[in-house]
Amino acid sequence: DGGITQSPKYLFRKEGQNVTLSCEQNLNHDAMYWYRQDPGQGLRLIYYSQIVNDFQKGDIAEGYSVSREKKESFPLTVTSAQKNPTAFYLCASIEDELGTEAFFGQGTRLTVV
Amino acid sequence: AQSVTQLDSQVPVFEEAPVELRCNYSSSVSVYLFWYVQYPNQGLQLLLKYLSGSTLVESINGFEAEFNKSQTSFHLRKPSVHISDTAEYFCAVSEVGGNEKLTFGTGTRLTIIP
Repeated sequence: DGGITQSPKYLFRKEGQNVTLSCEQNLNHDAMYWYRQDPGQGLRLIYYSQIVNDFQKGDIAEGYSVSREKKESFPLTVTSAQKNPTAFYLCASIEDELGTEAFFGQGTRLTVV
Repeated sequence: AQSVTQLDSQVPVFEEAPVELRCNYSSSVSVYLFWYVQYPNQGLQLLLKYLSGSTLVESINGFEAEFNKSQTSFHLRKPSVHISDTAEYFCAVSEVGGNEKLTFGTGTRLTIIP
């Protein structure tokens, strides 16, 4: 089945540690996105990539990093510089050149302990 | 830059009653408009979208939304809700000819009361 796979579903991290969230898609989409979701704030864009080996900062990129070495993969690293990393993280890819339907993964809930 | 406003953070509705979830947007260019639904601890699923043409768009499960350019709105409606409609609903916008970025509203939690 085609889709977007995020792993792990739940992740716990100690303060001061970096952690990487995985996002893989087999939809052959060029564009991929990372969003952060907090209660009452909707989805905020962290980073996005429209093509392999290229990515742009979104609205809240500080404390995060990404890479796009393969079309299928867009991992997100939450660094120790991110002051409030506890959140629900969603990865998405866009269907076509018109930038219409976005397909989302099931999300990763990150908790800093 | 575009923005989306969902004024109602929570909407309780009795089962089989009608519902309207409000969405207003702001953009200096033409836009595409979307409604996504999120069930607990899951990702978002597309409910319906407006790209062009008829301003009234419908989903397969009875929801509809109407694009009103003069009022910059894209309100979501359903004439009779079911328990299974309990979820969070997000309105989103992207710019026509833009860089495919989706901007989301803050979401509306729809709770159906039996």
